[in-house]
Amino acid sequence: AQSVTQLGSHVSVSEGALVLLRCNYSSSVPPYLFWYVQYPNQGLQLLLKYTTGATLVKGINGFEAEFKKSETSFHLTKPSAHMSDAAEYFCAVSEAGGSYIPTFGRGTSLIVHP
Amino acid sequence: SAVISQKPSRDICQRGTSLTIQCQVDSQVTMMFWYRQQPGQSLTLIATANQGSEATYESGFVIDKFPISRPNLTFSTLTVSNMSPEDSSIYLCSITGKATRTEAFFGQGTRLTVV
Repeated sequence: AQSVTQLGSHVSVSEGALVLLRCNYSSSVPPYLFWYVQYPNQGLQLLLKYTTGATLVKGINGFEAEFKKSETSFHLTKPSAHMSDAAEYFCAVSEAGGSYIPTFGRGTSLIVHP
Repeated sequence: SAVISQKPSRDICQRGTSLTIQCQVDSQVTMMFWYRQQPGQSLTLIATANQGSEATYESGFVIDKFPISRPNLTFSTLTVSNMSPEDSSIYLCSITGKATRTEAFFGQGTRLTVV
């Protein structure tokens, strides 16, 4: 069984500040990990993913995430927030070699203040 | 990646009626899924749409309430039957990546409001 916990339903930052969205997962087998973004009135868009190899993965729009097996974490960061980053962010996990159907966290709403 | 077209994009429906949501993909895909996203909530998998056979439903979802069709490898429909206000949600069609099957891709979603 797999599960995802996203700490904080809302994160508020100032424009230009560091963005940190937290995600912890549980998986009985090596995981595939994902971050998706959902802008208002839109579907989900893949930001980045970890499957194998380098544990620091870079995604679109300047976001990156690091897979830390010892901490079962996959936190999302961006050095400098932009107003256009305001959206809902979902962390997801699926199991390598399994059904590939992801399990999603509850989501974190990123609020960016001018 | 494949282009996923979902319609309608939004609708307001009377309770007791049914709405059919269509999902069209621009290439053949093996696995198609339907999710529900209730207001302020995460995504919950409703079912896997299987081509040529009955859909596989997750716990808490039944065929009578959410009948699904998958006549071919590019198209699926989800019907929300006998709607109540509790069915007000975003419904999302999803596929897995064709090449690697590691990540999921989503349609734009259908925003359903039941009054």
